Amino acid sequence: DAGVTQSPTHLIKTRGQQVTLRCSPKSGHDTVSWYQQALGQGPQFIFQYYEEEERQRGNFPDRFSGHQFPNYSSELNVNALLLGDSALYLCASSLAGANTEAFFGQGTRLTVV
Amino acid sequence: QKEVEQNSGPLSVPEGAIASLNCTYSDRGSQSFFWYRQYSGKSPELIMFIYSNGDKEDGRFTAQLNKASQYVSLLIRDSQPSDSATYLCAVTPAGSASKIIFGSGTRLSIRP
Repeated sequence: DAGVTQSPTHLIKTRGQQVTLRCSPKSGHDTVSWYQQALGQGPQFIFQYYEEEERQRGNFPDRFSGHQFPNYSSELNVNALLLGDSALYLCASSLAGANTEAFFGQGTRLTVV
Repeated sequence: QKEVEQNSGPLSVPEGAIASLNCTYSDRGSQSFFWYRQYSGKSPELIMFIYSNGDKEDGRFTAQLNKASQYVSLLIRDSQPSDSATYLCAVTPAGSASKIIFGSGTRLSIRP
């Protein structure tokens, strides 16, 4: 049973560029959440997708957008990259409903130079 | 006030002893409580979850929840060097089905 998979694992981009990160949820899960983790900090919630719609959003600018596909996989897009966007981006999958556990992928390390 | 607060550590515990990690949260309506372990450079790994007041045990790990005090803790018995990691406390706030709010984590070091 495959867990949560993310691609790519590492990425280097230049300021101002755009980036797309991908996530496939754990088998049987229908909800995907994206988090940004800066060095020395806990993960910060970006947004969550369920039934191909953004269900919740954290305190992130509109430069951060996403998409969920019919097979529940998801993409995170970041436009106009800033140096401060350098972080570990984590995808977590879960099953919709209360009291459900979220499982993380291995993350994508994004470096903006 | 942060939504989820943890002592950043490092917390140093001798091998074989009990490690005690603590966390407080601000939203009294929080529904679910999690402990994740994160090794350096890796993603968080879920090790315990608890929803009701009291204790929940799983192997060497015990999670304790006190909703009246808005306090959750993790005990690790018979600590091993492999337990050395950052432990993230996380909660699901009121009115949110799956959004998780994380603390900044406590670094735990098990000394041989």
